[in-house]
Amino acid sequence: GIQVEQSPPDLILQEGANSTLRCNFSDSVNNLQWFHQNPWGQLINLFYIPSGTKQNGRLSATTVATERYSLLYISSSQTTDSGVYFCAAFYGGATNKLIFGTGTLLAVQP
Amino acid sequence: DAGVTQSPTHLIKTRGQHVTLRCSPISGHKSVSWYQQVLGQGPQFIFQYYEKEERGRGNFPDRFSARQFPNYSSELNVNALLLGDSALYLCASSLRSSLQTDYGYTFGSGTRLTVV
Repeated sequence: GIQVEQSPPDLILQEGANSTLRCNFSDSVNNLQWFHQNPWGQLINLFYIPSGTKQNGRLSATTVATERYSLLYISSSQTTDSGVYFCAAFYGGATNKLIFGTGTLLAVQP
Repeated sequence: DAGVTQSPTHLIKTRGQHVTLRCSPISGHKSVSWYQQVLGQGPQFIFQYYEKEERGRGNFPDRFSARQFPNYSSELNVNALLLGDSALYLCASSLRSSLQTDYGYTFGSGTRLTVV
């Protein structure tokens, strides 16, 4: 079946450091989203990025659909960036659903 | 504008009982989807509804059912609860059923269900 894999599974950073999270997907996707899940469980939409590059403040994302991967960049990390980062691929047609990756648990230490 | 609202926020039920979870999408959004997130895993797709019709169903038993109302709000029902149904249940809304020309899904804060 369709698989979405993320790496690394865990990441510990010092405040101010930069990081890159990767998402690989096994089949052609219609669209891709990145989410941040905070400690209270809220899934916050970071990027809707089927292809190309987008930036929002200290975060940016790049999706290369032809090579089936997406990257999330976090620069100058802050303790509030801690939580789990998920990528989710959307497969339309009969399935019409988001398939979530395995997640990257990020801990930013002061 | 209000985001996606879910109720209740927390719920404790006993095995064998029935539960109803509720979701109101963002105003103007016509599609509602339900996801189950077990501790330590990513969310798993349960249902999608668009214009009151089921448009997608995940690999969940028939104990799980849902419906969408004329105002586009939705209910998720789970019968004969099992311990394994304990999870965070997330509702997501989107403008349309297909994301090809959309802006993605927006999720609610979820309902944390504990089955004892």
